[in-house]
Amino acid sequence: DGGITQSPKYLFRKEGQNVTLSCEQNLNHDAMYWYRQDPGQGLRLIYYSQIVNDFQKGDIAEGYSVSREKKESFPLTVTSAQKNPTAFYLCASRATGFSNQPQHFGDGTRLSIL
Amino acid sequence: GQNIDQPTEMTATEGAIVQINCTYQTSGFNGLFWYQQHAGEAPTFLSYNVLDGLEEKGRFSSFLSRSKGYSYLLLKELQMKDSASYLCAVREDSNYQLIWGAGTKLIIKP
Repeated sequence: DGGITQSPKYLFRKEGQNVTLSCEQNLNHDAMYWYRQDPGQGLRLIYYSQIVNDFQKGDIAEGYSVSREKKESFPLTVTSAQKNPTAFYLCASRATGFSNQPQHFGDGTRLSIL
Repeated sequence: GQNIDQPTEMTATEGAIVQINCTYQTSGFNGLFWYQQHAGEAPTFLSYNVLDGLEEKGRFSSFLSRSKGYSYLLLKELQMKDSASYLCAVREDSNYQLIWGAGTKLIIKP
């Protein structure tokens, strides 16, 4: 079955540590996105990529980094510069052929501070 | 500025009908999406509106009025499994980025 796989489901970060969240899709989608979800707030865009080897900052990119070396993969690194990383992180992908194509989401990674 | 408003929480009875409203103020408009999100899970796509009017899909319908900056999601014959958050998202322009509302938590009571 086609879909988006995020791993791990739960992740704990120590002070000063960088952690990487994995996102893999087999939907053959060109566009991929990373969102952060905090209680009582809408999804906030961290980074997005419309095509391999290219990505753009979203609204809250500070303290995060990404890469897009393969169409299927869009890993997110939460660096030690992100001082409040505790949140639910969602990866999404989208087919770019038609404007009515929705974003499809992975099951998310919940990141907490130790 | 950009703003999307939804009620924070609503309660309804199993078997009834509920309408969840979404109002938006954005610099442009190129489509509105509704998603369902169960607690701790991924959002799943429900509906898409880009023209004024009602789109019906089984027990769920979504309405759009672009002149009023207004949409609603109508859920009929409510079931306990419909207890979830419902997210409204607007695409401002052709770059396909979405602006998200905070979501409406729907509680279904027997």
